[in-house]
Amino acid sequence: NAGVTQTPKFQVLKTGQSMTLQCAQDMNHEYMSWYRQDPGMGLRLIHYSVGAGITDQGEVPNGYNVSRSTTEDFPLRLLSAAPSQTSVYFCASSYARGTGELFFGEGSRLTVL
Amino acid sequence: DAKTTQPTSMDCAEGRAANLPCNHSTISGNEYVYWYRQIHSQGPQYIIHGLKNNETNEMASLIITEDRKSSTLILPHATLRDTAVYYCIVRVAFNAGNNRKLIWGLGTSLAVNP
Repeated sequence: NAGVTQTPKFQVLKTGQSMTLQCAQDMNHEYMSWYRQDPGMGLRLIHYSVGAGITDQGEVPNGYNVSRSTTEDFPLRLLSAAPSQTSVYFCASSYARGTGELFFGEGSRLTVL
Repeated sequence: DAKTTQPTSMDCAEGRAANLPCNHSTISGNEYVYWYRQIHSQGPQYIIHGLKNNETNEMASLIITEDRKSSTLILPHATLRDTAVYYCIVRVAFNAGNNRKLIWGLGTSLAVNP
């Protein structure tokens, strides 16, 4: 099993550009989520999904969209990138929404100029 | 805001036990304590979790005080590969239904020295 795979690993955007961070897991996990990690702050939850077709907002959802059309994939979209979205993004999954045992991807480092 | 307090950094000699403390004095009765670690530039890795009993797995042991206001993660024989940031996290209820989220702090940067 590859686990949780994120692409791209690095990306530079200009303010106002859009892009999608991809996340795929091959463990048949119900629950998937996106976090961002910024210096001096703990990981913060952006959006999460408890199953295909179901998504909900986390702590810091503004500026981000998500969808969950399949169990395996959970892309994160930035519609109009802003410098405040410069961060490292992590996708995570777990077999059920009630568990805190998460499997994380390797991260995507995004810089918005 | 994080519900846990951890030392910013610690050192440990290779082969010795690493004992990482965590305070969670405001924890509620049904909130679990989780430990993760993050090796530089990688995604966080789950280590162990517990509610009120001590727990052990192949990676570590978790000792939770009887009043549940603090806990200690023990790496019994630290190696250089255990150098990482260790996060003590409380899992709390979030939104409606059976939703939970992890409240992440800044963790303890553990350096294992030869």
